[in-house]
Amino acid sequence: DTGVSQDPRHKITKRGQNVTFRCDPISEHNRLYWYRQTLGQGPEFLTYFQNEAQLEKSRLLSDRFSAERPKGSFSTLEIQRTEQGDSAMYLCAGGSPWGYTFGSGTRLTVV
Amino acid sequence: AQTVTQSQPEMSVQEAETVTLSCTYDTSESDYYLFWYKQPPSRQMILVIRQEAYKQQNATENRFSVNFQKAAKSFSLKISDSQLGDAAMYFCAYRTSNRDDKIIFGKGTRLHILP
Repeated sequence: DTGVSQDPRHKITKRGQNVTFRCDPISEHNRLYWYRQTLGQGPEFLTYFQNEAQLEKSRLLSDRFSAERPKGSFSTLEIQRTEQGDSAMYLCAGGSPWGYTFGSGTRLTVV
Repeated sequence: AQTVTQSQPEMSVQEAETVTLSCTYDTSESDYYLFWYKQPPSRQMILVIRQEAYKQQNATENRFSVNFQKAAKSFSLKISDSQLGDAAMYFCAYRTSNRDDKIIFGKGTRLHILP
């Protein structure tokens, strides 16, 4: 248990549906990062928060994606009108001065 | 923009032998951090080793060590006495000296350990 929890672990959804993922970092993580990882690839940066402020968003984060961290603790990532190309592992990480602590990820399959 | 390149998609090594995974990166910064992360099958990613660019001494963590060549922008990982539990995807990664900045990952090298 690294202290970063992600829920759910797996999600299967039909194309066009909306999905929401949750990430709970440990209290020391004032920075929180979201990444997407497709099969056989390295994680690709999506967005990050410093406390409740969303400070950077990747161009990968289309307008169907939205992320929040309302109280600077847990974060949610929502994908609206899912497409098959959204199928991936979505990783959350808490930032420390020396690197990241990753959660186990949420594997999304869009059918 | 910074990039990280891992040119070996897959590698295999006999148990108890030594293997070296390659990584090159591109940056115009003089101070930065480099990492190697391990992702076992269906398990979460964990940090193996990190290197601060301003340090000339190569980082070592037990059986894991790096060969950091700053001028060549090369950062290889050596695993000694390979064990079955070392089988995983290994990602080389870069971050600027700004600790708030995002980490940029390479595409990974899948390491197989042969019994």
